[in-house]
Amino acid sequence: GGIITQTPKFLIGQEGQKLTLKCQQNFNHDTMYWYRQDSGKGLRLIYYSITENDLQKGDLSEGYDASREKKSSFSLTVTSAQKNEMAVFLCASSITTASQNTLYFGAGTRLSVL
Amino acid sequence: GDSVTQTEGLVTLTKGLPVMLNCTYQTTYSPFLFWYVQHLNEAPKLLLKSSTDNKRTEHQGFYATLHKSSSSFHLQKSSVQLSDSALYFCALRPWLSGSFNKLTFGAGTRLAVCP
Repeated sequence: GGIITQTPKFLIGQEGQKLTLKCQQNFNHDTMYWYRQDSGKGLRLIYYSITENDLQKGDLSEGYDASREKKSSFSLTVTSAQKNEMAVFLCASSITTASQNTLYFGAGTRLSVL
Repeated sequence: GDSVTQTEGLVTLTKGLPVMLNCTYQTTYSPFLFWYVQHLNEAPKLLLKSSTDNKRTEHQGFYATLHKSSSSFHLQKSSVQLSDSALYFCALRPWLSGSFNKLTFGAGTRLAVCP
């Protein structure tokens, strides 16, 4: 088995601040994802990457940047934190993007903006 | 575009009773359906998946049958336990050979099981 590790678990930021979330996986999966989880809205895709140094925008990419420095890591940057924003950011990985492939998730980073 | 509808936001049940969590979907492609479960402060984990019409799939006491005629993939269990209290997401992935197959999630249903 493998594991996805997200750091930090909790992130408190100030309005306008640039904030970076990190994700590491040891599954040796090619594809990694960042999702945003808001109560009552399900999970929405922010960015995904099908291989090292690849980046693809999801439905919610505005206001975010991402970086896939190596196969095992995928980071997400909130470019300018919005006041009173609260959300959980979930990192995931899968073997490929084929239909039957299962996503494996990390436990999330909980963001609060003061 | 693709969509997934979970009609119940919160389902509250007493231990030992049966449960059905609704999931319907829309897509123009052949569907692959998933149920993910997320316990409090934990990562979402795969519970079930299926792309076979009218075939029941089971795991950990939960079961679901994909019905393409009604575009449904409802999650059921015959007797819920306290440990089943969690957030359940239904998700859809269309079958598209050679392209990025985006996973579309429903809004989630929170199941609360009482003693």
